[in-house]
Amino acid sequence: TQLLEQSPQFLSIQEGENLTVYCNSSSVFSSLQWYRQEPGEGPVLLVTVVTGGEVKKLKRLTFQFGDARKDSSLHITAAQPGDTGLYLCAGHSSGTYKYIFGTGTRLKVLA
Amino acid sequence: DVKVTQSSRYLVKRTGEKVFLECVQDMDHENMFWYRQDPGLGLRLIYFSYDVKMKEKGDIPEGYSVSREKKERFSLILESASTNQTSMYLCASSGRGLLDTEAFFGQGTRLTVV
Repeated sequence: TQLLEQSPQFLSIQEGENLTVYCNSSSVFSSLQWYRQEPGEGPVLLVTVVTGGEVKKLKRLTFQFGDARKDSSLHITAAQPGDTGLYLCAGHSSGTYKYIFGTGTRLKVLA
Repeated sequence: DVKVTQSSRYLVKRTGEKVFLECVQDMDHENMFWYRQDPGLGLRLIYFSYDVKMKEKGDIPEGYSVSREKKERFSLILESASTNQTSMYLCASSGRGLLDTEAFFGQGTRLTVV
């Protein structure tokens, strides 16, 4: 069974701090997505990474795909209250229809 | 922009009722999914469909059925709602091409069964 474990599960930080969220698996994925979900809403896609070692930046968010395509990280620089939400990673293998979702990291940024 | 629309944001139903949750996507995606999301359990796949009239069970199909009569529409049916089906229900869609790697989600339906 493919699993994606995220850490930490919960994170509460002050505005302006930096943080990193990790997404780890023993399985290889052909692509990995990161989503952010706000309370009462559906997950919104932030980024997709497909190449081992790939780094993508989205303003203050930096996403990295591990060299072996088994893990990923999300780094937020100078967090703001608007970054508050549930961050989900999802792994996808080409040739399959399914997505394997991580357990989620709930981030709260305090003003 | 990809749009996945779920018919209701909030629903309250009584135990034993038959409940229909509707989802429509406008990107001509082949694949559509229904998940439920519960605190501490994450997203769990109920059913998915890879083509019109085609469906496969996900991880937790018991108590649910689905219908896909048209490519853009995927319905989730709770045959006889029970209180343990109170949850957030999320519909998603994705393409099938090599470059179609992402799943796109609707806004969710918060279902309460009383």
